[in-house]
Amino acid sequence: GAGVSQSPSNKVTEKGKDVELRCDPISGHTALYWYRQSLGQGLEFLIYFQGNSAPDKSGLPSDRFSAERTGGSVSTLTIQRTQQEDSAVYLCASSLLSSGGGSTDTQYFGPGTRLTVL
Amino acid sequence: KNEVEQSPQNLTAQEGEFITINCSYSVGISALHWLQQHPGGGIVSLFMLSSGKKKHGRLIATINIQEKHSSLHITASHPRDSAVYICAVRSPTSGSRLTFGEGTQLTVNP
Repeated sequence: GAGVSQSPSNKVTEKGKDVELRCDPISGHTALYWYRQSLGQGLEFLIYFQGNSAPDKSGLPSDRFSAERTGGSVSTLTIQRTQQEDSAVYLCASSLLSSGGGSTDTQYFGPGTRLTVL
Repeated sequence: KNEVEQSPQNLTAQEGEFITINCSYSVGISALHWLQQHPGGGIVSLFMLSSGKKKHGRLIATINIQEKHSSLHITASHPRDSAVYICAVRSPTSGSRLTFGEGTQLTVNP
């Protein structure tokens, strides 16, 4: 079956422009996560969706970052007025939470979107 | 001090060697994940464990909850094992949010 897909795979933009990154999770996965991996850095959590709601958005670095999820499926991460420090690989993951609250919560990662802000 | 620390940061081995990567964490956890990131960037979940030991092929993961420590072992290493191995933890208070270690770059030479 299809895994997690992300688009675009690469995005080059100019400082100050807005960008939208898309994530298509595995069908039926209720949980969706956005992470960021800056050059030479580890992964950092951005936001978590359960269905269409985001119970944890504490990792978003500033109010220029927002995300939404519609229909319990596709999610879009939007970065407004991009800055050079936003350059990173943005990774999306999805998981199928058990009714017990996460004990079988293996996360499946997408290939990422490499964002370069010039 | 990071909540999740891995060692070593870099590891070079000869094909066939037994490899150990360590992960220490400072918070209470509900689960620990080992992930593999290949040079192309794709991330694969290797293990999720909350106690004891798990084995999959040549990979073995162990965790000691009391000592807040986990190890990932690779037996009979092969050049295709070359990748970044990342430890990540989930705490009971953070839902499904993962906190990641910096990763260990493994290179296995033929």
